[in-house]
Amino acid sequence: QSALTQPASVSASPGQSITISCTGTSSDVGGYNSVSWYQQHPAKAPKLMIYDVNNRPSGISDRFSGSKSGNAASLTISGLQAEDEADYYCSSYTSTYTVVFGTGTKVTVL
Amino acid sequence: EVQVVESGGGLVQPGGSLKLSCAASGFTFSGSTVHWVRQASGKGLEWVGRVRGKANNYATVYAASVKGRFTISRDDSKNTAYLQMSSLKTEDTAVYYCTRSNSGDSFDYWGQGTLVTVSS
Repeated sequence: QSALTQPASVSASPGQSITISCTGTSSDVGGYNSVSWYQQHPAKAPKLMIYDVNNRPSGISDRFSGSKSGNAASLTISGLQAEDEADYYCSSYTSTYTVVFGTGTKVTVL
Repeated sequence: EVQVVESGGGLVQPGGSLKLSCAASGFTFSGSTVHWVRQASGKGLEWVGRVRGKANNYATVYAASVKGRFTISRDDSKNTAYLQMSSLKTEDTAVYYCTRSNSGDSFDYWGQGTLVTVSS
């Protein structure tokens, strides 16, 4: 199972919006509404930001939103803030009952 | 308060074995699916495998990279899960995280991770 494809890095100024893509296949992203997004700060455990494509866990800011079209999912962060600077990973359930993560995207707030 | 605490990491020689533990509290452990995820230094997240609960016969699934070498188990009476690793390779060197999914395959509670180093 190959890792889902994400851009290596995305950067923007505070207050702007960014979108991170996550591209898979019909055997993972395209086949299930089970895409999640995680935020990871350096030397910290990942934190769930979005689950089931577009749902936010309790306590997660509505500046974070998710979507999916075909074999690709996206995470949008609006009103970018300094604390959003982190690595972001998507994940998806797969047709072989496993879970696959994305390659990861480093978000830089300029 | 939710707590997930991994332990058992350390230095092991190639070909050796190691058993990690994951102790959980603050949520219904028996109803959760427990997953292990690892991360090599400076690299991305890699899903290792999972064990479902009693209602799903403690079913396990593993990533191809560890299948046949790693075994995940759980003891619901102790709210603890385990990752038995054998025939370890240098490429298994990573921080190993224990996490859980309640429904679906999103991971809401994570431990702090435990470092496994495979080196001679």
